[in-house]
Amino acid sequence: GAGVSQTPSNKVTEKGKYVELRCDPISGHTALYWYRQSLGQGPEFLIYFQGTGAADDSGLPNDRFFAVRPEGSVSTLKIQRTERGDSAVYLCASSQGPGQGDYEQYFGPGTRLTVT
Amino acid sequence: AQSVTQPDIHITVSEGASLELRCNYSYGATPYLFWYVQSPGQGLQLLLKYFSGDTLVQGIKGFEAEFKRSQSSFNLRKPSVHWSDAAEYFCAVGGANSGNTPLVFGKGTRLSVIA
Repeated sequence: GAGVSQTPSNKVTEKGKYVELRCDPISGHTALYWYRQSLGQGPEFLIYFQGTGAADDSGLPNDRFFAVRPEGSVSTLKIQRTERGDSAVYLCASSQGPGQGDYEQYFGPGTRLTVT
Repeated sequence: AQSVTQPDIHITVSEGASLELRCNYSYGATPYLFWYVQSPGQGLQLLLKYFSGDTLVQGIKGFEAEFKRSQSSFNLRKPSVHWSDAAEYFCAVGGANSGNTPLVFGKGTRLSVIA
């Protein structure tokens, strides 16, 4: 079956602009995660959804970052007033929910965001 | 706080030689442990995982890892490295008791393979 997909694969934007990054999880996966991977680092957690609600948003760096998952499938990560420090690869992962099996997270290919 | 340490930033091995990548974790509960591989420009691919049971786990591409609770370690091994194994390797930990939890990743070990 189809894996996790993310669009766009690359995004270049100017400092101060607003961007949206999209994630399509594996069908039937109720858990969805966003991570950010800076150059030379491991992925760092941003936010986790269980269904439509954000179960844990403790990794969001500040209030410029926001994510939604209105119908419990596709999620959008939104970044306002982008800064050069936001440049990174943004990874999305999905997994089965509680009681549905193991909790392996399946990762998408990522969106490379460059803020100029 | 949860953390993962991968002490080796970069390792170079000869093709056909054995490999061990180190991973130490700090986690307040029973951990789920993972090794992922990332090739340049690619997403993360799961090599293997430990949830419970046998502490020696087998993964894809001939990799294995051993969970040692007393040492808080989950080292990745391969008996004979192939040139195609050159990539970045990440160890990660999640919470077994909490079900779906965000993963905490190490900073990664870059593997180079020479002829």
